[in-house]
Formats: sequence, C-alpha cells, structure tokens
Amino acid sequence: GENVEQHPSTLSVQEGDSAVIKCTYSDSASNYFPWYKQELGKGPQLIIDIRSNVGEKKDQRIAVTLNKTAKHFSLHITETQPEDSAVYFCAATITDSWGKFQFGAGTQVVVTP
Amino acid sequence: DAGVIQSPRHEVTEMGQEVTLRCKPISGHNSLFWYRQTMMRGLELLIYFNNNVPIDDSGMPEDRFSAKMPNASFSTLKIQPSEPRDSAVYFCASTERAEGTDTQYFGPGTRLTVL
Repeated sequence: GENVEQHPSTLSVQEGDSAVIKCTYSDSASNYFPWYKQELGKGPQLIIDIRSNVGEKKDQRIAVTLNKTAKHFSLHITETQPEDSAVYFCAATITDSWGKFQFGAGTQVVVTP
Repeated sequence: DAGVIQSPRHEVTEMGQEVTLRCKPISGHNSLFWYRQTMMRGLELLIYFNNNVPIDDSGMPEDRFSAKMPNASFSTLKIQPSEPRDSAVYFCASTERAEGTDTQYFGPGTRLTVL
C-alpha cells in the first residue's frame, strides 16, 4: 500500500521568511496530493492540492510542487505570518481507490514575530 | 453550507461505558470517513463508507469499535466497552466522489477522554 513520509516534523521560521515542507510517497499510481492545515482544536482544512498531470500550483502565498519521477511533493509558504502557525499534513491517494488517503505524520510550523 | 457536523465536541466517560460519536456529512457527499488522531499515531483511517455501504473497515482497531451509516446524512461510531487507550480526537470527513474530485472535508472532531 501507499506510504507517505513527511519532513520536517517541526519547523520554526521568522515572520516574513519562507517555509518548505517535503513529502515522499511510495505508490507511483498515486495521482492526487492534497495539503491540509490543522489549527489547534480544529479539524484539518484543505489549503491546496495538486494532481499528477500538473507540476506546480500556486494560490497567493502558498504553492505546491510535484516531482512524479522522484515521487515527492512539497508545500511552499512565502512571506509567513503568525497565522500560518499550525500543523500541516500532506496526503496521497489514487482517485479511483474509493478516496482512501494516506496521510503524512504532520509538520508543526511555528512562525515567530 | 454548514460543513461536516460532529457531536458531541467533547466526551468524558469512564472505562467500560459505551460511547457513541455522531457525524452529519456535507449534503450531497456520498463518501464518509472516520479517523482517529493521537500524538503517537497521527491520523489513522478507521473505516469509510461509499453510498452508505462500508467499503473498508480494516482500520477499526478492535471488535469494540463499530460504525454505521443508516442514511446519506448520518453516521455513528460506537465504542463498547470503552478503554483509556481509546482517548483521542475522532474526526469524520466526507467527500463527493466524482471523477477527479476526491477532496475530503473534515469536521471539527470529537475529543474523547476515557478515564
């Protein structure tokens, strides 16, 4: 089955700097890669996703890149702000597999003013 | 849209008691997932349903856990009898399984504490 590894487990950045979180996956058939943000006491919320027919996707200060050959994908947050502090999860799935996601272990991001 | 609704938000019970967690998926969504989140094990998929039918319950830890989805707008996760190691946050998520659309939307979770 699919296995997703996520690094780093914690990330401290100064406000205004960039943050990068990396994930690798094992199943080359995976074709959908969402990223979730989880704030304290809340459920994970989708922030961006990418499909295997696209190499990069941007949405304001966040972007995701995908390297299918190397089987890894990354989340980039630019101009970080204190409200970006949260736990971020990557996931991988095959869209025909009943939507079963394999989540990474999560990255605790702390943005210090 | 109200999003995925879960109740209760917090539950404190004593070991041996029955616990029932409830979930209302987003209207129109046809797949529903139950997850458990702990510090040690992260997000674990327990069971998921498609069109109210359980598809895969291999993540359910023990026979003490059971889940039902009697209709498209309601699901329950039951633990009987509960044990302290069941303490965790339980999330429900739903998705509209259409071609190219598998985004899962999570509820706010139920924090379960078993004493």
